[in-house]
Amino acid sequence: DADVTQTPRNRITKTGKRIMLECSQTKGHDRMYWYRQDPGLGLRLIYYSFDVKDINKGEISDGYSVSRQAQAKFSLSLESAIPNQTALYFCATSVADTQYFGPGTRLTVL
Amino acid sequence: AQSVTQLGSHVSVSEGALVLLRCNYSSSVPPYLFWYVQYPNQGLQLLLKYTSAATLVKGINGFEAEFKKSETSFHLTKPSAHMSDAAEYFCAVSEYTGGFKTIFGAGTRLFVKA
Repeated sequence: DADVTQTPRNRITKTGKRIMLECSQTKGHDRMYWYRQDPGLGLRLIYYSFDVKDINKGEISDGYSVSRQAQAKFSLSLESAIPNQTALYFCATSVADTQYFGPGTRLTVL
Repeated sequence: AQSVTQLGSHVSVSEGALVLLRCNYSSSVPPYLFWYVQYPNQGLQLLLKYTSAATLVKGINGFEAEFKKSETSFHLTKPSAHMSDAAEYFCAVSEYTGGFKTIFGAGTRLFVKA
């Protein structure tokens, strides 16, 4: 079984809809991250959490929110989706300097 | 502030040829440097990392990278490309500021021709 899982793997939605992307991990890591990947831009950090009570904004947090429900779960929400949020979203965990990524969620906002 | 530049968004090599993917970084403190690989429809996985030990770092699948402080570079090489190496490769730099903050390059897609 995968150590970092993401649901859904693919989602198509319409402008203005609320969307939640979920991430679960069985690695026992305290630190979790949400990134988005766009062609030619690499990965950009949206939010990160160093433990259940710690939430921090990344470089592109506008339009997104997160919830750290437990050590193992970290959800990303788009309160009102817009087309330029169409991207591939990755959840990751880390211990020390190394990150472990989920398989990604491909989100399309029409 | 730290940053990463990957030279070339696409690189194409023939099977059996040398693979060279270029990465330059900037960091205000001694950096931690990484190469991650992303196969189609998968997340990123760690290929190798430099954390101030040996400057030549060996990773999985025959890849290696050399840290050159004077050139602020961390280029990735493999002597002989295999079809299975076709993927996207990301260089990344981390600084420790109470926790590690990682910045990723834009990625280089490697094509391997038969």
